[in-house]
Amino acid sequence: AIQLTQSPSSLSASVGDRVTITCRASQGISRSLVWYQKKPGKAPKVLIYDVSSLESGVPSRFSGSGSGTDFTLTISSLQPEDFATYYCQQFHNYPQGLTFGGGTKVEIK
Amino acid sequence: QLQVQESGPGLVKPTETLSLTCTVSGGSISDNNSYWGWIRQPPGNGLEWIGTIFHNGNTYYNPSLKSRITISVNRSKNQFSLRLTSVTAADTALYYCARLGAAEISYGYADYWGQGTLVTVSS
Repeated sequence: AIQLTQSPSSLSASVGDRVTITCRASQGISRSLVWYQKKPGKAPKVLIYDVSSLESGVPSRFSGSGSGTDFTLTISSLQPEDFATYYCQQFHNYPQGLTFGGGTKVEIK
Repeated sequence: QLQVQESGPGLVKPTETLSLTCTVSGGSISDNNSYWGWIRQPPGNGLEWIGTIFHNGNTYYNPSLKSRITISVNRSKNQFSLRLTSVTAADTALYYCARLGAAEISYGYADYWGQGTLVTVSS
């Protein structure tokens, strides 16, 4: 099974900061990667799909990059509503074997 | 607008079977561009994919849970269901049902989610 390792597991940042979250896959997954934002009491929301495509309605301060095994989610200027937990998920062998990263909690400094 | 909604008991005893149903509205479970899945989140932990089903009954399960899970579809009711046998406290989680996209275009992520239902395993 393909494992995803996210880092850091948590971070503290201030409004306006640039934030970068990393997701590393245990083997190459081409461009089969999505990023979700999860807030307490709410279902996850797709931010970025296919590594770098912005989901409709998602602010342009969110961006994704990477290929092969190493991927990043960047928030260019952190806003108050961005404090949440972020998860990557791979779908390289879809519909088999979906896996999530462990999550990165973004907290207010 | 497509919606999915989980239903089922919130409390299950250890060793018993957890059963949840997801009702799809605003769309058809027989849509060839949709797969349907279950995902859970234990308290304080991350997301875990449980399994996925297509309307023809083809299923795909998380290997770590495969021996205990059954996902089925009821096209006449526009529903799909999850059964998890021999539950323990480790199965306590918020369970989500979701729609995922077509495998043919590698749309393997969930774009519509239910609100989630908390299932506690306790005697």
